[in-house]
Amino acid sequence: DAGVIQSPRHEVTEMGQEVTLRCKPISGHNSLFWYRQTMMRGLELLIYFNNNVPIDDSGMPEDRFSAKMPNASFSTLKIQPSEPRDSAVYFCASGPDGRPGYGYTFGSGTRLTVV
Amino acid sequence: DAKTTQPTSMDCAEGRAANLPCNHSTISGNEYVYWYRQIHSQGPQYIIHGLKNNETNEMASLIITEDRKSSTLILPHATLRDTAVYYCIVRGGSNYKLTFGKGTLLTVNP
Repeated sequence: DAGVIQSPRHEVTEMGQEVTLRCKPISGHNSLFWYRQTMMRGLELLIYFNNNVPIDDSGMPEDRFSAKMPNASFSTLKIQPSEPRDSAVYFCASGPDGRPGYGYTFGSGTRLTVV
Repeated sequence: DAKTTQPTSMDCAEGRAANLPCNHSTISGNEYVYWYRQIHSQGPQYIIHGLKNNETNEMASLIITEDRKSSTLILPHATLRDTAVYYCIVRGGSNYKLTFGKGTLLTVNP
């Protein structure tokens, strides 16, 4: 099992540019999460998908952020336009079920720097 | 979800057992206790979870008090690679959300 795969590992972009982060969850997992980690705010849940459907996007900072899950094996998080305050490490996680009693597996993250 | 309280940091000698405490005095009956850790520059890693009974897996043991108001994660033989931030999280009911606090920075010393 290759685990949760995220790409790219590092992204440096200029303010105003569009950024797309990618995630491949573990096969068979029906729950997918996007988290963001900063020194100031720690780990924050951005959005939760269950069976490819967005269930909770209350953590998405603003309209500049959007996430999609077109199929069970792929999800994207897009920021357009990007701003310096979006600089953070973005993690994708997947789980076999969103209900309690199951652990989630996190990817290695994408470190985004907006200059 | 119930709030958890963990020490900010702990030290442990290599080869010794590391015992990481967590208080969750407001835990409710259907809430599980989860432990994750985050090694520097990596994603959080699931370690173990439990509801009422003590649990053990290849990574660690989880001891939950009878009243379920606190728990202890035990790494039986800590190595330098166990240096990480350890998060105790309570989650239950229909809640899918993992809410991370500040955790405990465990430093394993040679």
